[in-house]
Amino acid sequence: EDQVTQSPEALRLQEGESSSLNCSYTVSGLRGLFWYRQDPGKGPEFLFTLYSAGEEKEKERLKATLTKKESFLHITAPKPEDSATYLCAVQANSGGSNYKLTFGKGTLLTVNP
Amino acid sequence: ETGVTQSPTHLIKTRGQQVTLRCSSQSGHNTVSWYQQALGQGPQFIFQYYREEENGRGNFPPRFSGLQFPNYSSELNVNALELDDSALYLCASSQTGSTGELFFGEGSRLTVL
Repeated sequence: EDQVTQSPEALRLQEGESSSLNCSYTVSGLRGLFWYRQDPGKGPEFLFTLYSAGEEKEKERLKATLTKKESFLHITAPKPEDSATYLCAVQANSGGSNYKLTFGKGTLLTVNP
Repeated sequence: ETGVTQSPTHLIKTRGQQVTLRCSSQSGHNTVSWYQQALGQGPQFIFQYYREEENGRGNFPPRFSGLQFPNYSSELNVNALELDDSALYLCASSQTGSTGELFFGEGSRLTVL
């Protein structure tokens, strides 16, 4: 069974204080690893897709990286508007399972001004 | 471009009742997936619809059922509601059934008393 574990559960940063969120996964053949952002009371918003170990993607202050066992979401010089829950999800490559995402519980990021 | 819209946004039901949730997919998307997100948890896959057929299903009992219509909109029906069904129900549309880049609506918050 595919599993995703995110850490820490919650992270509080001061504005400008860089940090990283972790996503560990086990999957029977990785088709893709996805990062989403979710604001309170809203649906998740797609951020990145990573397909293979060594791949990196960047968007503004966010950079996602991937290894064979985990992914990191690096946040550089965060601003209060970066406060949200960040969700990691995997999609398996095995037949019959490539239509669904398995999500972790998320990391609640709070950035104080 | 119209995004994913869901209705109703909030509803309260009592145990044993039935509920229907509705979703209009994003323009150009032919696949709809439904996810259940309990408080403090990540979204959990319920099922996916493509071309009006159920394309895959998660670990949910048969009292969770769905429909997709020719215009790609979708319904989620839950019979015999239980207290544990209280959650945010998220609809996501995508261009194909095998992509993990999902576009989520803002969800329907169901409370079962």
